[in-house]
Amino acid sequence: DAKTTQPPSMDCAEGRAANLLCNHSTISGNEYVYWYRQIHSQGPQYIIHGLKNNETNEMASLIITEDRKSSTLILPHATLRDTAVYYCIVRVLSGNTPLVFGKGTRLSVIA
Amino acid sequence: ETGVTQSPTHLIKTRGQQVTLRCSSQSGHNTVSWYQQALGQGPQFIFQYYREEENGRGNFPPRFSGLQFPNYSSELNVNALELDDSALYLCASSPDSGAAHNEQFFGPGTRLTVL
Repeated sequence: DAKTTQPPSMDCAEGRAANLLCNHSTISGNEYVYWYRQIHSQGPQYIIHGLKNNETNEMASLIITEDRKSSTLILPHATLRDTAVYYCIVRVLSGNTPLVFGKGTRLSVIA
Repeated sequence: ETGVTQSPTHLIKTRGQQVTLRCSSQSGHNTVSWYQQALGQGPQFIFQYYREEENGRGNFPPRFSGLQFPNYSSELNVNALELDDSALYLCASSPDSGAAHNEQFFGPGTRLTVL
């Protein structure tokens, strides 16, 4: 079973920041937080991952709380193409451990 | 660089039949994982192959089986199809299993409908 809980859906106006929340209160010390997204009719796509420090790449920023029990994925300027289901996953950073997906958050970016 | 490809894109079968789904991994990737995604759900891990050997399995019955070939492409076989096997089947490839962070690159999936 997934070790994360996420809101089932959220809306965001185009051009605004989208903040997607994830709770992972039972995360272990050696587990990382990963985010993937799945655009309709496509396979999931890796976005970002982190352990305890905030991370940023060309797609998004990841903010992890100090107690590591929750995190927020931030899309700074959402576009219509960011409409997708976003999955938060906790995973040991060891080789090819499988991804355990929950139901994710369906983000709808509205013009 | 060619990404992960899967075939066929869509497939319709009847209960009791057998099906084979195919996946070509991304160039340089020697690990392939298969996932099943039912409608409205997140993908569920079926199994993983690393250098032609099964390297982990999720909670799926033995009628779900697989192969990986020397070129690292892979097949998923499902015997005695049931209605609940209707789903999107996703293949993901990743580089060497010994590395720390192995991003999984997913294919577009095969949509299987069992009637």
